[in-house]
Amino acid sequence: EVQLVESGGGLVQPGRSLRLSCAASGFKFDANAMHWVRQAPGKGLEWVSGISTNSASIGYADSVKGRFTISRDNAENILYLQMKSLEPEDTALYYCAKDSKSGPFDDWGQGTLVTVSS
Amino acid sequence: EIVMTQSPATLSVSPGERATLSCRASQNVRSNLAWYQQRPGQAPRLLIYGASIRATGIPARFTGSGSATEFTLTISSLQSEDFAVYYCQQYNDWRTFGPGTKVDIK
Repeated sequence: EVQLVESGGGLVQPGRSLRLSCAASGFKFDANAMHWVRQAPGKGLEWVSGISTNSASIGYADSVKGRFTISRDNAENILYLQMKSLEPEDTALYYCAKDSKSGPFDDWGQGTLVTVSS
Repeated sequence: EIVMTQSPATLSVSPGERATLSCRASQNVRSNLAWYQQRPGQAPRLLIYGASIRATGIPARFTGSGSATEFTLTISSLQSEDFAVYYCQQYNDWRTFGPGTKVDIK
């Protein structure tokens, strides 16, 4: 059974940094691209960032480019999202999602909540 | 960046009726289009990919169609568990989600 467990969320002041983690199990982690998706309270889904199997290809939404960095550790089966210069608009539930071999997301974690507030 | 739009924002439907949801892409995404269902308090669930292919375990009452920039999700006979928010997503150029359509009970 695929399991994606996010952690690292919490309350952080504007301008500060936070690192999210997603521990993966139940599938061959290094065979799937991975993504972060966020959902602000009461709002829709926003793709944040994605990373290919070997980290050679990385993409970001315009809203986080230059502030967030995605990475992965294939030896430990962990996906990361380093977030800096956080803004109140970054407040959201952050999901880790597994990319199917054809592109859409076939498994999701339950999310970790990030709240940016003074 | 490819922009996705969805209509309507809210669709009120009676149980047993048909629901038709629309999704439009700002540029050609070929058939690289997926639909997701999200129930309150839950993570999204993949329904359709490749514009028209049902994901594993998805009932036949869910049908996807379209290509290029215009796509449709049809739910043929709404069941109680189908009242939820539906998102389309393009995966032709990284990923983008539409704003969602909420299907609620009429």
